[in-house]
Amino acid sequence: DSGVTQTPKHLITATGQRVTLRCSPRSGDLSVYWYQQSLDQGLQFLIQYYNGEERAKGNILERFSAQQFPDLHSELNLSSLELGDSALYFCASSASDTGTATGELFFGEGSRLTVL
Amino acid sequence: GQSLEQPSEVTAVEGAIVQINCTYQTSGFYGLSWYQQHDGGAPTFLSYNALDGLEETGRFSSFLSRSDSYGYLLLQELQMKDSASYFCAVADMGRRALTFGSGTRLQVQP
Repeated sequence: DSGVTQTPKHLITATGQRVTLRCSPRSGDLSVYWYQQSLDQGLQFLIQYYNGEERAKGNILERFSAQQFPDLHSELNLSSLELGDSALYFCASSASDTGTATGELFFGEGSRLTVL
Repeated sequence: GQSLEQPSEVTAVEGAIVQINCTYQTSGFYGLSWYQQHDGGAPTFLSYNALDGLEETGRFSSFLSRSDSYGYLLLQELQMKDSASYFCAVADMGRRALTFGSGTRLQVQP
């Protein structure tokens, strides 16, 4: 158990809909990262927040947005969903602003999104 | 940009040794990490190399050559439970996040 909690674990929705994925980082971690993993693919970095502020952006679509709240939990909002958005969405956390300092991120179990 | 290359699949037998290679291209390289992911599970951290050389952690070892932009993960005394996907990832200070390779699926056979 990494200490990172993600909800929901599974989500099935229709094209054009909007969903919100939630992540609670490990106790004490200030950085939250969101990654997308499509079937048999690698992990694509979407966005990072540190202590409530956006710190880095990856290949995140304009239809997607995220935020980190004062209690450090984060939400990833996916709107106008398309079939291709079906994927596993992982949240990871680290203590520092730069998770790259130790190369170690702690991943949640992921939210599996299926768009029909 | 950043890119990482690793083999898509490797097959080995129980008790054997397997090496998974990773070459990378990135600016501002800081270090190379390795992660294990079982089917449907979360990626879990295995090792991190910031300096040249070999790091050993139990049955797993990881190597880095910064001059060659190359690293590998060495798994010894393979067990069935080692069947999983293994990802190398580069730590780029400019990006603040880890960029992952596409992963190597390791199948351990009896």
